[in-house]
Amino acid sequence: AQRVTQPEKLLSVFKGAPVELKCNYSYSGSPELFWYVQYSRQRLQLLLRHISRESIKGFTADLNKGETSFHLKKPFAQEEDSAMYYCALRAREYGNKLVFGAGTILRVKS
Amino acid sequence: DAGVIQSPRHEVTEMGQEVTLRCKPISGHDYLFWYRQTMMRGLELLIYFNNNVPIDDSGMPEDRFSAKMPNASFSTLKIQPSEPRDSAVYFCASSFGTGSGPLEQFFGPGTRLTVL
Repeated sequence: AQRVTQPEKLLSVFKGAPVELKCNYSYSGSPELFWYVQYSRQRLQLLLRHISRESIKGFTADLNKGETSFHLKKPFAQEEDSAMYYCALRAREYGNKLVFGAGTILRVKS
Repeated sequence: DAGVIQSPRHEVTEMGQEVTLRCKPISGHDYLFWYRQTMMRGLELLIYFNNNVPIDDSGMPEDRFSAKMPNASFSTLKIQPSEPRDSAVYFCASSFGTGSGPLEQFFGPGTRLTVL
């Protein structure tokens, strides 16, 4: 069963438009959720984690336990946001290892 | 620290050949992970080690894949024999850990494998 679902393989938006990268998960307990990002020719790196409740590069993500979602949002997309984004879950039941979604490519057009 | 180091960065080989991918984790990290990235399946965990011991290899696709970690600063992922469907980017990552498990993972640059 897919534990982390990112329904969009590709999301294309114009510069300045709002962005929402969707992530849904399957877990009945209290998982930790993360967003990882891979910019062109760079390493995969942690963008943000839900327990930090922080905004990184203008991105935020709120854990919605009722909808089992952890969507990544940014009000105004910038060209440098173009990258591959992975949602990931960590839970004790899964040995505390990261379980990644399939990823979403974000393309921000000028 | 140069971060996680992987070699080679690119590998092109023919079907049936043996392929060995190498990884040097960040010094002091006690967890090491091997992932495979494809367009169809995204990022999949193949195997991970804690203190050089394999903990979970349930993601290893089949017996053609094997991984070793002979010491804290080196790991290999071997595919023998390789097949075209093994073509992917293979990432290594490492992290510190606590009693609850691994903390933030730091990824290497990946090895792009093409099997013809």
